[in-house]
Amino acid sequence: GAGVSQSPSNKVTEKGKDVELRCDPISGHTALYWYRQRLGQGLEFLIYFQGNSAPDKSGLPSDRFSAERTGESVSTLTIQRTQQEDSAVYLCASSQNNEQFFGPGTRLTVL
Amino acid sequence: DQQVKQNSPSLSVQEGRISILNCDYTNSMFDYFLWYKKYPAEGPTFLISISSIKDKNEDGRFTVFLNKSAKHLSLHIVPSQPGDSAVYFCAASARGGSNYKLTFGKGTLLTVNP
Repeated sequence: GAGVSQSPSNKVTEKGKDVELRCDPISGHTALYWYRQRLGQGLEFLIYFQGNSAPDKSGLPSDRFSAERTGESVSTLTIQRTQQEDSAVYLCASSQNNEQFFGPGTRLTVL
Repeated sequence: DQQVKQNSPSLSVQEGRISILNCDYTNSMFDYFLWYKKYPAEGPTFLISISSIKDKNEDGRFTVFLNKSAKHLSLHIVPSQPGDSAVYFCAASARGGSNYKLTFGKGTLLTVNP
């Protein structure tokens, strides 16, 4: 289909390891957002891309988190030296105007 | 501090009846509000939205009401169907520029009983 896709769907890692999460937005959508949802919580904003630039990184919880976007398309969220509190579902959304279309998310479990 | 609050973690209604989901917000800069529906293991799906210049928006069985003075919005589903059973998230944005980042509530689990 033509929706937002994310990979992997599930990731289990050991504390201290680095992980990379991928998002393929809807073709032509210039805006891309990363959110995370921890257990029992709402979605928390992490970072916003307009094209390949990230004018708003205010939601990244620490400098262990980084993200990039290339070709105004694919985005990668990287978490270095993962901690147990990083365990969450990481969701990506893309949009062209007001409505954001979400991917299915990546469930990250840090042991 | 939670800027978007959904105070009811769950709601159970009978098929055919009305479901009313509530949401409160604290940030006066919010000017656009959305409701998303989420099934397990899927991403949220956009349902309906409302701009702060309106007080009501209707789409089929779904109606969103906005009371700006009370900083309160609600989603009405009439008639409720078993397939409506899902977690409903209220979200808000302040559309000052092109960054429409959303602030979400914690969600309300709606169960519609046949």
